[in-house]
Parts: sequence; structure tokens; C-alpha cells
Amino acid sequence: EADIYQTPRYLVIGTGKKITLECSQTMGHDKMYWYQQDPGMELHLIHYSYGVNSTEKGDLSSESTVSRIRTEHFPLTLESARPSHTSQYLCASSFSGETQYFGPGTRLLVL
Amino acid sequence: QKEVEQNSGPLSVPEGAIASLNCTYSDRGSQSFFWYRQYSGKSPELIMFIYSNGDKEDGRFTAQLNKASQYVSLLIRDSQPSDSATYLCAVVSGGYNKLIFGAGTRLAVHP
Repeated sequence: EADIYQTPRYLVIGTGKKITLECSQTMGHDKMYWYQQDPGMELHLIHYSYGVNSTEKGDLSSESTVSRIRTEHFPLTLESARPSHTSQYLCASSFSGETQYFGPGTRLLVL
Repeated sequence: QKEVEQNSGPLSVPEGAIASLNCTYSDRGSQSFFWYRQYSGKSPELIMFIYSNGDKEDGRFTAQLNKASQYVSLLIRDSQPSDSATYLCAVVSGGYNKLIFGAGTRLAVHP
């Protein structure tokens, strides 16, 4: 059973607001990932990290930024939210190997 | 050509039948393959992984891998309505342990 948490689970916010989506895992996994998924569509990797102070952009261009100051924590920030950012954001983690475990996701609606 | 290809479906099977889900991949050097299940509005959950050619069974699920033909499949025996979900094939590609997800196949099991 994976212990990976995301908050908030749902967020409705106005255009131009700064938001931070939280992701934490208690498994000591070194690798963490952020995916974006629109309803009925495929997963797109937007950021990943292979350890503390290591972050990389994923395959899908995103205006969001991430940080990895602690192993267990991988927050995603949008400096100025826009309606085009409306989506589901999924955080995942893995331990050196490749099996990724997903958090419950954050559904973001930007008005 | 997408790196991981799946038929989007929906694949409709009657309750109790065998559901067969297929996936092809382009990177001949891929070594690790995963099947995830995703219920509507939820995050993906790992069903099983396979590394070696041949079959791997886990309960009602069997993963089949053929590296020469570059395909991996998932069989679900005795399909139940609760198996109705989108099934994602994922392949580790490249030198960075990045999982590449297919778009998923939607399975509908009808009573």
C-alpha cells in the first residue's frame, strides 16, 4: 500500500492567483513525479525529481515550477493561475526502481 | 508513432468472459513493463509488472510479454463489472527510468 498524499484534493480558484499543490510521501522514495491529466485523456509528465535539489521538466511543457528540498515533499506551484491550467494533477513516487505509486490527485478549476 | 500505443476502446465484454488488452511499444531496449488500472476520476493503481518474456499470472490477471514483437498484453479472466475502468500500459524507456504511458484502453464489462 502506497503512502502518498496530495492536498488539496479539489481547488477552485480565480485567474491570476498563486497556488501550490502539495505532495508528500512517507515511503522514503527517492524519485517523485508530477503528471497532468485532463478528463478522459492520457497522462502527461510535467516534472520529475530524482532526489533532493534535483528537478527536471517533463515531456509536456508546463508553466508550473517544482522544488525538492526534502525527500518526502515535492510541491508544485503556479505563480499565476489561468483557465488553461484547469486539469487533474497527479503526484507519484518510486524507489530507485521503476514502479510508480500515485497519490489521489488534485482537481484544479481556474475560473 | 507514439512510444506506447493502445487501442482506446471501449472494449466491451460480458461478465465472466476473458478481456484481452494489448499494448505495443517502440523502444526495443525497454526492459520493464507495467499495467495500471484507472477508474474514472481516480488515480492510476498498479495491477502488475513484467520484465521477462512469457506470462506472469496474479490472480485473475495475466500479463504477457513478447520483446521480439514489442508487445505486452493483459488478460483478465472471469471479468466482473467492477473491472470496468481504463487500463494503462506503461513502459520504462530511455536511461532515466522514466515511465512512458499509453493513452489507455477503456474496458466495459456488462452483466
